[in-house]
Amino acid sequence: SQQGEEDPQALSIQEGENATMNCSYKTSINNLQWYRQNSGRGLVHLILIRSNEREKHSGRLRVTLDTSKKSSSLLITASRAADTASYFCARAHRGGSEKLVFGKGTKLTVNP
Amino acid sequence: EAQVTQNPRYLITVTGKKLTVTCSQNMNHEYMSWYRQDPGLGLRQIYYSMNVEVTDKGDVPEGYKVSRKEKRNFPLILESPSPNQTSLYFCASSFLADIKETQYFGPGTRLLVL
Repeated sequence: SQQGEEDPQALSIQEGENATMNCSYKTSINNLQWYRQNSGRGLVHLILIRSNEREKHSGRLRVTLDTSKKSSSLLITASRAADTASYFCARAHRGGSEKLVFGKGTKLTVNP
Repeated sequence: EAQVTQNPRYLITVTGKKLTVTCSQNMNHEYMSWYRQDPGLGLRQIYYSMNVEVTDKGDVPEGYKVSRKEKRNFPLILESPSPNQTSLYFCASSFLADIKETQYFGPGTRLLVL
């Protein structure tokens, strides 16, 4: 299976704290992306990191990629209640079919 | 506004009663795709289309049909729904060059099959 693991499955923090979510995968990738999903809504693309990049920033988001460990982390700094959502990593694997493979997600709750 | 729309947003039906979930995008995207989302299983691809009249199976196509007669529309058809098709369904689209870069998702259709 090309599916990897995301951990933790659920994360509950206080407003102002940082939230870190991890994603691991099994086969080589072209890029890895993070999406956000508010409860029962569609996914929204947050950030993409390519296989030759190690770190990327976008506002309060920081993504790292370690291809030797086949893992990525999404850090949300200074979290807000509005960050409460599920976060998914999606991998674009090298070769193979034209599709993204989504993980099972991390459900983040930011308490005010 | 650039968007992917799905209808209906919520649907309760009974086993065996044919239904269609519509998906439409106004971004002139060639690629469209259907996913289902189930607790503990994440998103799984049902069918996808690279362009008009070109469709292909994803990872979980059984029990579903699709068609792509127009570029903007990609309906999902359940000919004889069963309770195991109770799920949250998402349509997504992108330009061909962006399939592995960014996909735009619809708001979802929550289906309950009794």
